[in-house]
Amino acid sequence: DSGVTQTPKHLITATGQRVTLRCSPRSGDLSVYWYQQSLDQGLQFLIQYYNGEERAKGNILERFSAQQFPDLHSELNLSSLELGDSALYFCASSALPGINEQFFGPGTRLTVL
Amino acid sequence: DQQVKQNSPSLSVQEGRISILNCDYTNSMFDYFLWYKKYPAEGPTFLISISSIKDKNEDGRFTVFLNKSAKHLSLHIVPSQPGDSAVYFCAASGRGTSYGKLTFGQGTILTVHP
Repeated sequence: DSGVTQTPKHLITATGQRVTLRCSPRSGDLSVYWYQQSLDQGLQFLIQYYNGEERAKGNILERFSAQQFPDLHSELNLSSLELGDSALYFCASSALPGINEQFFGPGTRLTVL
Repeated sequence: DQQVKQNSPSLSVQEGRISILNCDYTNSMFDYFLWYKKYPAEGPTFLISISSIKDKNEDGRFTVFLNKSAKHLSLHIVPSQPGDSAVYFCAASGRGTSYGKLTFGQGTILTVHP
């Protein structure tokens, strides 16, 4: 158990819908990262937050957004969902942004029908 | 543009023998490398890491070797155990990349037979 929690574990929705994925980092960690794992793309970095502020962006679609709240939990919002958004979404955390060792949650499996 | 490559999709090893997983990278700005293990239905679990100022790092049965000139790293597991059967990902980060971003390889499925 990494100490990172993610909810929900599974999510099934329809195209065009909007969903919110939630992540709570390990106790004491200030930085949160979101990754997407799809069958053909592997693990891809989406976005990073540190202490409530966005610090880095990867190949995140404009339809996707995230935020980190004062209690340090983070949410990833996915809107206007398409079939291709079906994937595993992982959250990871680290103590500080410059610390390379990131600890991953169990993931949320999103299925868009 | 795949900057971190694991060219072997799978590896099969007998229990007690050595498992060697390989990883190549192309971005010379990478200066920190990590290995993660992933079981089905779980998130990646951090195993071991190495900074570019070193060429070897050991932690119990796991050793990571880094050859900077060849842009190659490897993970050695000795002795291999059936519980080591999982997908292994190498990852890299470094100067010039998005702060804190890890770039992952595609993974190698390791199967350790009893």
